[in-house]
Amino acid sequence: AQKVTQAQTEISVVEKEDVTLDCVYETRDTTYYLFWYKQPPSGELVFLIRRNSFDEQNEISGRYSWNFQKSTSSFNFTITASQVVDSAVYFCALRSGGSYIPTFGRGTSLIVHP
Amino acid sequence: NAGVTQTPKFQVLKTGQSMTLQCAQDMNHNSMYWYRQDPGMGLRLIYYSASEGTTDKGEVPNGYNVSRLNKREFSLRLESAAPSQTSVYFCASSEAPGQGARETQYFGPGTRLLVL
Repeated sequence: AQKVTQAQTEISVVEKEDVTLDCVYETRDTTYYLFWYKQPPSGELVFLIRRNSFDEQNEISGRYSWNFQKSTSSFNFTITASQVVDSAVYFCALRSGGSYIPTFGRGTSLIVHP
Repeated sequence: NAGVTQTPKFQVLKTGQSMTLQCAQDMNHNSMYWYRQDPGMGLRLIYYSASEGTTDKGEVPNGYNVSRLNKREFSLRLESAAPSQTSVYFCASSEAPGQGARETQYFGPGTRLLVL
């Protein structure tokens, strides 16, 4: 069984603030894959990042960074100096090695105010 | 290169009516998926097709059928629509699940379905 928990339903920040979106996962497999997707108000789902269970290196891409910690089963996403265009729903997803089926969290709605 | 396309974008049905949602991808991906998205529920997998010629049930398959018409196309059919099927439906594709970066899913723009 696999499970993804995004405990933050909605986060509201003011532009230029840093914000971290939490993702906690559960799986019994030692091989698994974690993903983050962004869903802006227009509705499409945009792939952001993929990480496998053997690679605990943190990732930075511009203002985005991801902190993967197996010890706490977390894959958190930080936006530095947030902008209004970052306003979206963000989904964390998990696919365990033995399954074709990914499990998505319920999403965190981020609202960035000007 | 359009990626993943879905038709229609929006549809209103009456209870008991049937309809087919169409999905096509031009990325030569092997695997295709249908999800539904409901408020506060995230995305839930309805059916998937790991490769051409195969289909399997996901988390919430009841009330739906699928057809993998060819490598490009994967349709979702509602035989007798119910109000509980009011949702946003997303199609996705990936090169190959379970094979590194090739498993990343790419999504279509979604179909908003309202069943009255």
